[in-house]
Order: sequence, then structure tokens, then C-alpha cells
Amino acid sequence: GAVVSQHPSWVICKSGTSVKIECRSLDFQATTMFWYRQFPKQSLMLMATSNEGSKATYEQGVEKDKFLINHASLTLSTLTVTSAHPEDSSFYICSARSASSTPTGKLFFGSGTQLSVL
Amino acid sequence: QQQVKQSPQSLIVQKGGISIINCAYENTAFDYFPWYQQFPGKGPALLIAIRPDVSEKKEGRFTISFNKSAKQFSLHIMDSQPGDSATYFCAASQAGTALIFGKGTTLSVSS
Repeated sequence: GAVVSQHPSWVICKSGTSVKIECRSLDFQATTMFWYRQFPKQSLMLMATSNEGSKATYEQGVEKDKFLINHASLTLSTLTVTSAHPEDSSFYICSARSASSTPTGKLFFGSGTQLSVL
Repeated sequence: QQQVKQSPQSLIVQKGGISIINCAYENTAFDYFPWYQQFPGKGPALLIAIRPDVSEKKEGRFTISFNKSAKQFSLHIMDSQPGDSATYFCAASQAGTALIFGKGTTLSVSS
């Protein structure tokens, strides 16, 4: 099956610093990538949708200036948490959809990044 | 507005029993209904998925039952094993857009 690689798997940073999370599709071209956030014992909440070469679309309530998403190629999307604060501590998960996904809608998920802001 | 409602929140099943998790949706435009399994600290893994033109799909011990008129679908895990203990999420999407997830069910299979 298709593989989505997400790095780092965990990161600890000081308050006020920025953290970049990478999401790569290893064996397919990801026309669309989605970023989710998951707090402990809660569901996955969609943060934003990004299409290669265009600006990301953010969900209501997600600060686009804090969570910078770049989808510069068909195999790489990055999420940068800028000026991170303790309330940004969460599990961030990327997912990708291939143009040839069958059925349409099938998403491949990364293994997630646990961010802890001190 | 919760578009996908999942129940129960938690479930305890004895080894060898059947685990049943239910989901209901509101948007009749949804056309893809997957179930995901997630272990602590890991990303969700696709278990099985169904489209609305099919009423049931079985893969190994996992079965999805789909009721289009009732806007409900369920996951049945037959012969539940301790290794099945995890959190299960139902989800739905429309025309390849982002998946909308249910709130999750924590399954514990006792040995």
C-alpha cells in the first residue's frame, strides 16, 4: 500500500520557537494533503487542506499565520507551528490522497508527530 | 455541528466475542465511509471502507454494515482478540474531500 512518511515523530520545544513537521508521500504523488490535530483521547480534527502549488485552505478557527502549510511538490507538505505555545501541544497527523486513489476518498495517513511545548 | 456521530464511547468485550460500533451521519452527499484503528501514539490505520451502493462488506474478521435509508453504518469485529484493543474511528467524506471523523470508541478486549 501507499506510504506516507511523517517526521519528526515527536518534538519538544520551548515556548516562542517554531517547529516544522514534514509529510512525504513515498511511492505516489499526493495531489492533496490534509493536516489534522488530535488532543488526548479526542478525535482527529481537520486543520487545513493543501493542494500542490496553491495556498492551503484552513478550517474555521485555525490560525493560518500560526500554522503555516506549504505543499511545494507532489510528494512533500510541511506544517510549521510558529511561535509555539503550550496550548499548541498536540498530536499532529498528515494524510495524503493520490490522484489515482481507488476509491476516491481513500486517504493514507502518516504516523503522526507529538508536539510538546514547554 | 457533528456530522458523524459514533457510539459507544467505550466498549469492553470478552475474548472471542463480537464488538459492534455504530455511526450515524447527516450529510447524504457523503460517498465514502471508512473505519480506522488507532493505537496510542500512532497514526490511524485503515481497517475497512464501504461506499453507499453496497450494504455490507467483509474483510477477514471485520464487517461493515451500511444502511443508506437510516444514514447509519456499523463495524463488527468477530472473534475479538486482546490485540484488537485500540481506539476505532468511523469517518465519512464527500467526493474525495477531507475525512470527517467520529469521536472514537475505545475498545478493550479482555482475556
